Amino acid sequence: SQQGEEDPQALSIQEGENATMNCSYKTSINNLQWYRQNSGRGLVHLILIRSNEREKHSGRLRVTLDTSKKSSSLLITASRAADTASYFCATVLIQGAQKLVFGQGTRLTINP
Amino acid sequence: DARVTQTPRDKVTEMGQEVTMRCQPILGHNTVFWYRQTMMQGLELLAYFRNRAPLDDSGMPKDRFSAEMPDATLATLKIQPSEPRDSAVYFCASGLTGPVGNTEAFFGQGTRLTVV
Repeated sequence: SQQGEEDPQALSIQEGENATMNCSYKTSINNLQWYRQNSGRGLVHLILIRSNEREKHSGRLRVTLDTSKKSSSLLITASRAADTASYFCATVLIQGAQKLVFGQGTRLTINP
Repeated sequence: DARVTQTPRDKVTEMGQEVTMRCQPILGHNTVFWYRQTMMQGLELLAYFRNRAPLDDSGMPKDRFSAEMPDATLATLKIQPSEPRDSAVYFCASGLTGPVGNTEAFFGQGTRLTVV
């Protein structure tokens, strides 16, 4: 079963707008990561946020983590057509052998 | 550029045949993952290794799937016998896991398997 669930499943916005994707998870985590996947390609790591962090920035990306609500959000500011891709959150659990478990992803489309 | 290399990129096989997928992780990485991606199930973790030792293969159908790391430069995923429901894209990823477990995974381009 999936640990992380992204919301929405699909998002379509105009170029220049901000895109926000959410991820909820079920059990306590060591860290949470966001990945991007272009069609037909492998996933690319975007950002990692540790369980003791609340917010992290990388360029146009902003990630928040609320461990009390077991949720995270990824904000992409000033979106570009090249940001069109699927975005996945992945969690590393505290329990067990620290495997990396992915959610179902959000399909983001940026319209020029 | 260091990258994870997967072969073959595409594989079409008949039901019942053995399929072997190979992965060369990034040199120096100590963790290797195998994932399967389908539209219905998304990304499923099949197995993963740390320092070549299997840590978790609970996501893998044991009767037909097997995963091994014969050495640090090669990971294999075998399906025998293959079935049409195994059709999917199989990804290998590698990473360097430190003491606090923060593994950033680097993905290969995947093997697209079609079983007819």
